[in-house]
Amino acid sequence: GQQVMQIPQYQHVQEGEDFTTYCNSSTTLSNIQWYKQRPGGHPVFLIQLVKSGEVKKQKRLTFQFGEAKKNSSLHITATQTTDVGTYFCAAPDNYGQNFVFGPGTRLSVLP
Amino acid sequence: GAGVSQSPRYKVAKRGQDVALRCDPISGHVSLFWYQQALGQGPEFLTYFQNEAQLDKSGLPSDRFFAERPEGSVSTLKIQRTQQEDSAVYLCASSFSGFSSGANVLTFGAGSRLTVL
Repeated sequence: GQQVMQIPQYQHVQEGEDFTTYCNSSTTLSNIQWYKQRPGGHPVFLIQLVKSGEVKKQKRLTFQFGEAKKNSSLHITATQTTDVGTYFCAAPDNYGQNFVFGPGTRLSVLP
Repeated sequence: GAGVSQSPRYKVAKRGQDVALRCDPISGHVSLFWYQQALGQGPEFLTYFQNEAQLDKSGLPSDRFFAERPEGSVSTLKIQRTQQEDSAVYLCASSFSGFSSGANVLTFGAGSRLTVL
């Protein structure tokens, strides 16, 4: 079935630095979603990307969907301590009826 | 309700015991998903319901795992003869649309943390 990979696994940044996480698939995706999970919390939906080359922004967060619809990225500008958490990408499985989650990128922000 | 409600939030079971985890999705949501999340890992798919129909159970790790949603609303995930490797957080998520609509936004519950001793 579908697999999505994410890099890096962990990222430690100083507050104010930028952060980027990447999501990659070996197959073309119909869409991709991003979720954030705070420590001790549950995943919370951030955004869905559908179109090839799509770019969406939410304040300091910029999401991109690759031209080939096989990869995506999440970029955070000037990180804040409130950005701490694990960021997951998720994509529909090609064979089943479910969403496959990547392993996540855990972001730590040092004040 | 306003969100997805799961109970119990915490469950400690002795190896071999049966457990039942409940999920109360957002009212009117068609789709319901169960995921298993081990510590430090991403959510792993277990099963999916569209209304009362279980359309995909390919992620259930063994026949000890069983899920139902008899009236298309509340769902129960049952684990029989629990093993230590079943220790994880079990997340339930619901979505307004059917999966095939391509517009599924998952709203997760807080999860049920199962510890098997």
